[in-house]
Amino acid sequence: GESVGLHLPTLSVQEGDNSIINCAYSNSASDYFIWYKQESGKGPQFIIDIRSNMDKRQGQRVTVLLNKTVKHLSLQIAATQPGDSAVYFCAENMDSNYQLIWGAGTKLIIKP
Amino acid sequence: IAGITQAPTSQILAAGRRMTLRCTQDMRHNAMYWYRQDLGLGLRLIHYSNTAGTTGKGEVPDGYSVSRANTDDFPLTLASAVPSQTSVYFCASSESGGSGANVLTFGAGSRLTVL
Repeated sequence: GESVGLHLPTLSVQEGDNSIINCAYSNSASDYFIWYKQESGKGPQFIIDIRSNMDKRQGQRVTVLLNKTVKHLSLQIAATQPGDSAVYFCAENMDSNYQLIWGAGTKLIIKP
Repeated sequence: IAGITQAPTSQILAAGRRMTLRCTQDMRHNAMYWYRQDLGLGLRLIHYSNTAGTTGKGEVPDGYSVSRANTDDFPLTLASAVPSQTSVYFCASSESGGSGANVLTFGAGSRLTVL
């Protein structure tokens, strides 16, 4: 079946540096992609989303890039802070399908 | 504070017992979901409801049942718990299910251990 996967299970970044979390997807029919952040002991929290008709979308300190040619999604976090420590999930949503397909997650560790 | 309330926060349960996880939202969202989260497997959808009065099966529905009698409540029942149902359960909601933006709001989770 279709799946969403992440390239790196753990990413360690120096505080203040930029973080890039990658995600590969396999279903070319997916039209909507979402990033969630999950802090320890909490539920996932929406960060940013992007539709398939866009290549880039920016939020506050975060940017999502979508490369449909290679079916790749990335989340960039600028000036990483200790509060960014969490597990980050990408998910895809196909049109008319109520189910989000989730990746396994990438744990982001911030080094002081 | 608007959001999703799950109960209990944590529960240890003997195998074979019946258990209901409660979920209530106050955002008047139409769609609600139950996920289980297991290490290395991400989030897997158990059941969902597009609107009050309707429910549907997700990826891993066996051993679970749900009901949606009204907009706010979406309880998840384990009729006869088994150890493989040990997991963290998350309830979520969204304004609507289906195509387009489908931003989910999650509860804090219910940690269930079945012995």
